[in-house]
Amino acid sequence: AQTVTQSQPEMSVQEAETVTLSCTYDTSESDYYLFWYKQPPSRQMILVIRQEAYKQQNATENRFSVNFQKAAKSFSLKISDSQLGDAAMYFCASLAGNQFYFGTGTSLTVIP
Amino acid sequence: DGGITQSPKYLFRKEGQNVTLSCEQNLNHDAMYWYRQDPGQGLRLIYYSQIVNDFQKGDIAEGYSVSREKKESFPLTVTSAQKNPTAFYLCASSIPLGIRILKNTEAFFGQGTRLTVV
Repeated sequence: AQTVTQSQPEMSVQEAETVTLSCTYDTSESDYYLFWYKQPPSRQMILVIRQEAYKQQNATENRFSVNFQKAAKSFSLKISDSQLGDAAMYFCASLAGNQFYFGTGTSLTVIP
Repeated sequence: DGGITQSPKYLFRKEGQNVTLSCEQNLNHDAMYWYRQDPGQGLRLIYYSQIVNDFQKGDIAEGYSVSREKKESFPLTVTSAQKNPTAFYLCASSIPLGIRILKNTEAFFGQGTRLTVV
């Protein structure tokens, strides 16, 4: 069975500061992909960043970057220079085989 | 523009009635998925389909049914057997595993349907 665990139900960050959201996963597949999705109050799921497991280099997308530790099965998301628009629910997800697996989410509050 | 469309956005039904949620995509994706989202539980897989006329049960398929007669469409029926149907339902699509290494691998989501059963 595949599992994705997000141990932080809620996080908060001051505007312009940096925050890191944690995620661990478990898979028996050798070929898999990892993602972070953002779900704002509109509830539309938006892809933030993706990481291919076969790539050693950590993915980055503007202010968003990941720390991918393959041996530890850890996949954390770092948001730099946090903005009010970053406030949302964030889901970590894995793709292994033919299914996506999602964590339970972290609700991020940005404090002005 | 390519995308995935769910309708309606809000749906109200009386207890004991079946209801069908629509999901259409024009992304030419082979794989489609239905998820249920409840507070504190993330996204749970109901059904998924990798190809037309074929689909598999996910983790919480009881009380739900699907069909995949066309590549573009993957409707979900919430039957009266579903004991707690009030939830937010998300449909998604993606390219199949075989060609993912060459293309974007993520799931594309619709805007969701909020189903309330009274």
